[in-house]
Amino acid sequence: NAGVTQTPKFQVLKTGQSMTLQCAQDMNHNSMYWYRQDPGMGLRLIYYSASEGTTDKGEVPNGYNVSRLNKREFSLRLESAAPSQTSVYFCASSNQGGTEAFFGQGTRLTVV
Amino acid sequence: GQQVMQIPQYQHVQEGEDFTTYCNSSTTLSNIQWYKQRPGGHPVFLIQLVKSGEVKKQKRLTFQFGEAKKNSSLHITATQTTDVGTYFCAGRFRAGGGADGLTFGKGTHLIIQP
Repeated sequence: NAGVTQTPKFQVLKTGQSMTLQCAQDMNHNSMYWYRQDPGMGLRLIYYSASEGTTDKGEVPNGYNVSRLNKREFSLRLESAAPSQTSVYFCASSNQGGTEAFFGQGTRLTVV
Repeated sequence: GQQVMQIPQYQHVQEGEDFTTYCNSSTTLSNIQWYKQRPGGHPVFLIQLVKSGEVKKQKRLTFQFGEAKKNSSLHITATQTTDVGTYFCAGRFRAGGGADGLTFGKGTHLIIQP
């Protein structure tokens, strides 16, 4: 049981480049989330998907797009990376009803 | 927007000393969760508190939810080096929904000196 799997684990981009962060969960959860974590800022929600076929903006959505490809997979795309997007990105999943969130291992992204 | 304030940001303790982190909200919470993140790792769920005045224990960890459901605390007795990490609270202001309804505190970094 792998839980939540994110790829890649590390990435360095040049300003203006694009990339997609991949996330997959094998727990049959309806809801999936993308967070970013910056020093001193805690975890901030970028986008989430309450169920397959739906996506909604979180606290900090600007500069990002998401796709809920199927129940298992939820990807995060940076169309034109900026240094301000240097961060650690976590994907998470949960069931409905306010239960715990399960996090992936994180992607450490540096934009130069 | 609704915020969950967490203090202190950093806490240095000698191994064997106790540790406490506090979370506060200006408005009533539906429930509150606690997560631990080891250095270089990812957040891992510890517990959820739902009832007013609730107290739960996990070995050396004691979690409390205030009577007014506006504050919570995590207390670790006799810290060990394995307790090192960042502890986050995550408050929920409305019942139901998934983790999108969680507002995370900024975390308390626990640093233990042997």
